[in-house]
Amino acid sequence: SQELEQSPQSLIVQEGKNLTINCTSSKTLYGLYWYKQKYGEGLIFLMMLQKGGEEKSHEKITAKLDEKKQQSSLHITASQPSHAGIYLCGARNYDKLIFGTGTRLQVFP
Amino acid sequence: GAGVSQSPSNKVTEKGKDVELRCDPISGHTALYWYRQSLGQGLEFLIYFQGNSAPDKSGLPSDRFSAERTGGSVSTLTIQRTQQEDSAVYLCASSLEGGLAKNIQYFGAGTRLSVL
Repeated sequence: SQELEQSPQSLIVQEGKNLTINCTSSKTLYGLYWYKQKYGEGLIFLMMLQKGGEEKSHEKITAKLDEKKQQSSLHITASQPSHAGIYLCGARNYDKLIFGTGTRLQVFP
Repeated sequence: GAGVSQSPSNKVTEKGKDVELRCDPISGHTALYWYRQSLGQGLEFLIYFQGNSAPDKSGLPSDRFSAERTGGSVSTLTIQRTQQEDSAVYLCASSLEGGLAKNIQYFGAGTRLSVL
C-alpha cells in the first residue's frame, strides 16, 4: 500500500522567514494535493500537481512535484501568522486520497 | 450550497449507542467521500460514493459502520453500537466526479464524535 511521509512533523518559525515542507511517497505519485487544516476546521485545498517537474504558486506558497514523481515540496515565502496550521499532502490512489502524516506549522511574531 | 456541510459539528454519545452523521455535498458534485481523522491514525479513507453507489467501501473499519447516499446528494454515515475507539473527527468531501486525477476534493468542517 502507498504511504506518504512528511517532514518535518513540526515547524516553528519567526514571522517573515521562509520554510519548506516535504512529502515523500513510497510509490509513484499520480496527482498530489496539498491541503491546510486549522484546529476544528476541515481541510482547505491549496494546490494540485500532476506532472513531474510541475510547479504551482498561490500568493506566497509554491508547490513542486519532482521529476521522478515520488516527492513534493511546499515552500512558504515570508511566513505570516495566517500561515499557521497543519499542512497535509494527499496522493491519489484510485478514487480516494491517501494522506501524509501532516506538518504542524507555528509562526510567531 | 456554497460548501460541504456536515452535521452535527459535535456529537457526544455513550458507548453502545448508534449515531448518524450527515453530509451535504456541494451542489452538482457527483462524488462523495468519508474520511476519519484520529490522533493515532491520521486521516483515513472510509468510503466513496459515485452518485448513489459505493464502488469503494474498503476503508470501513467494521460491519458496525455503514453509509448511504440518496438522490445523489446527502449522505449519512451510521455507526452502530459505538465504541470508544470510534472517537474521532469524521470528515466528508465531495468532488465534481470521481476517478479523474484533476477532480479536487473539497472538505466539510467535520463532525467531532466523542464516545464516553
